[in-house]
Amino acid sequence: DARVTQTPRHKVTEMGQEVTMRCQPILGHNTVFWYRQTMMQGLELLAYFRNRAPLDDSGMPKDRFSAEMPDATLATLKIQPSEPRDSAVYFCASGLGQGNTEAFFGQGTRLTVV
Amino acid sequence: LAKTTQPISMDSYEGQEVNITCSHNNIATNDYITWYQQFPSQGPRFIIQGYKTKVTNEVASLFIPADRKSSTLSLPRVSLSDTAVYYCLVGDMAGGGNKLTFGTGTQLKVEL
Repeated sequence: DARVTQTPRHKVTEMGQEVTMRCQPILGHNTVFWYRQTMMQGLELLAYFRNRAPLDDSGMPKDRFSAEMPDATLATLKIQPSEPRDSAVYFCASGLGQGNTEAFFGQGTRLTVV
Repeated sequence: LAKTTQPISMDSYEGQEVNITCSHNNIATNDYITWYQQFPSQGPRFIIQGYKTKVTNEVASLFIPADRKSSTLSLPRVSLSDTAVYYCLVGDMAGGGNKLTFGTGTQLKVEL
């Protein structure tokens, strides 16, 4: 059963520390999304990639967030330095991309910055 | 991207049909309409997508009028397990973007 895998599932860190979240998209999917969800802001699109190239990262705070796809099987979202306001659930999703709006979401990483 | 407007919440009872309407007045010619469902502590899950008229799958039906300025997700005979947030998205499938932008969603609560 193909699924998007995110690690870690939970992360508690201190303010100022670096946080790296990882995502393994479904094999064969060429589009990867990163979302952040909070009660106040809902689901926010941070960045998305097509064939490993970033298409849009306008939703991401550039000074502290970075997203990459080192290869087709791994997407990373990094926060450095982390702040309490970054506390949220971060979702990764993958899909077949152009012509298809069905995306498959991972279970998310619940980040708490204290 | 076309902006979507949907009710914040809806209540229903088991066995009833639920219709959630989404308004998207500035939908573009190439835009498709997609609905997602999200349970607490889980990522959203794709339900259905359509361009015009009616689309039906094993889970739901999607009704889109001729002017495409709105759409209605229909859930037949809901059960308690259908309690979730439902999101309406509008986006371009033909272009190179295909960015999936979620709005505020509709919290559906199903009771006995």
